[in-house]
Amino acid sequence: AQKVTQAQTEISVVEKEDVTLDCVYETRDTTYYLFWYKQPPSGELVFLIRRNSFDEQNEISGRYSWNFQKSTSSFNFTITASQVVDSAVYFCALSELGSSNTGKLIFGQGTTLQVKP
Amino acid sequence: DGGITQSPKYLFRKEGQNVTLSCEQNLNHDAMYWYRQDPGQGLRLIYYSQIVNDFQKGDIAEGYSVSREKKESFPLTVTSAQKNPTAFYLCASSTRTGPHEQYFGPGTRLTVT
Repeated sequence: AQKVTQAQTEISVVEKEDVTLDCVYETRDTTYYLFWYKQPPSGELVFLIRRNSFDEQNEISGRYSWNFQKSTSSFNFTITASQVVDSAVYFCALSELGSSNTGKLIFGQGTTLQVKP
Repeated sequence: DGGITQSPKYLFRKEGQNVTLSCEQNLNHDAMYWYRQDPGQGLRLIYYSQIVNDFQKGDIAEGYSVSREKKESFPLTVTSAQKNPTAFYLCASSTRTGPHEQYFGPGTRLTVT
């Protein structure tokens, strides 16, 4: 069965600190996609990144970076020099390319990040 | 601007009443989804539709119903059969051939008393 685990329920850091959000997934498929979404207090989920299972290259986008390791089934997300505006709930999600190709996402429980000034 | 709209932002109903949540998108996406979010939990899939006039149950469809008569619209009805309807409801859409990233609306917070 597919499953996404975000073991960190809440993280609190002081502005300018680096912070890493962990994501561990389970799947039997060899082809799958992983996502990160941000949910600010307004409630709307904002798409951050999508990676496929064949691409293990780490990715950097500004202060955001992602570390994908198939060997440990992890897709961790690091924010460098955190800012107060980074305060939000962050979700990791998994999607498999099953025969039905539905695009269904399986979400983790989310990690609440609080960045204090 | 292209996007997904959900209305209203907050909705209050008495127990035993059906209520319909609106979701409209102008992204020309074929696929649309409804999720439920409870405090401290991730999103759970209620229903999804990959094409007009077709939809499938998600993981927690009991007590809910949907329709997809137009590509742009995917309303969700929370029926009186839903035992615990108070939650935050999010609608999303994506291009049909998945898995592509889903784009979300602002959500509707439903409170049933």
